[in-house]
Amino acid sequence: EVQLLESGGGLVLPGGSLRLSCAASGFTFSNYAMNWVRQAPGKGLEWVSGISGSGDSTYYVDSVKGRFTVSRDNAINTLYLQMNSLRAEDTAIYYCAKQIVTLWYDVGYFDCWGQGTLVTVS
Amino acid sequence: DIQMTQSPSTLSASVGDRVTITCRASQRLNNWLAWYQQKPGKAPNLLIYRASTLDSGVPSRFSGSGSVTEFTLTITSLQPDDFATYFCQQYNIYPWTFGQGTKVEIK
Repeated sequence: EVQLLESGGGLVLPGGSLRLSCAASGFTFSNYAMNWVRQAPGKGLEWVSGISGSGDSTYYVDSVKGRFTVSRDNAINTLYLQMNSLRAEDTAIYYCAKQIVTLWYDVGYFDCWGQGTLVTVS
Repeated sequence: DIQMTQSPSTLSASVGDRVTITCRASQRLNNWLAWYQQKPGKAPNLLIYRASTLDSGVPSRFSGSGSVTEFTLTITSLQPDDFATYFCQQYNIYPWTFGQGTKVEIK
């Protein structure tokens, strides 16, 4: 069974940093692009970042470029999101989400999601 | 960025009703569109991809249709488990973008 389990969320001051983790199991992690999608309280979904299966290609939405860094460790099946210079508008539940392909810019829908981790910037 | 607009924002319906949700894109999508269901406090769950292909295990009362810039999600005979919020998502041009959501609530 495919499982994704996020951790690392919490309360942080504006300008602070957090690192989110997503532990994956049930599939060959390195074969699939992974993503971070966020949802502000009571709001819709926003794709934040994607990373290819090998980790050598990444993408960021404009609002987080230069502040967030996505990475992965395929040896331990874990996805990361390093978030620096956090702002109030970054407050959201952050989900990790799996694609069905290796390259993030290929078929870009998400077939499996974690349960999310809440980041509050205040 | 491609803007995705769903209508209606909220829909009140009864068990057994046929429900249709519309998603309009600001640019043509070449059918690269997905639909998700999200229940309160839970992660989104993939229902449909490629505009009309049901994901594995999704009940056949769900269907997707449409092309170019206008797409629909239809639920025939709404079930108690279907009361949730539904999102469309385009993956034709990055950044991938979502509609604002349609909440299906009990009438």
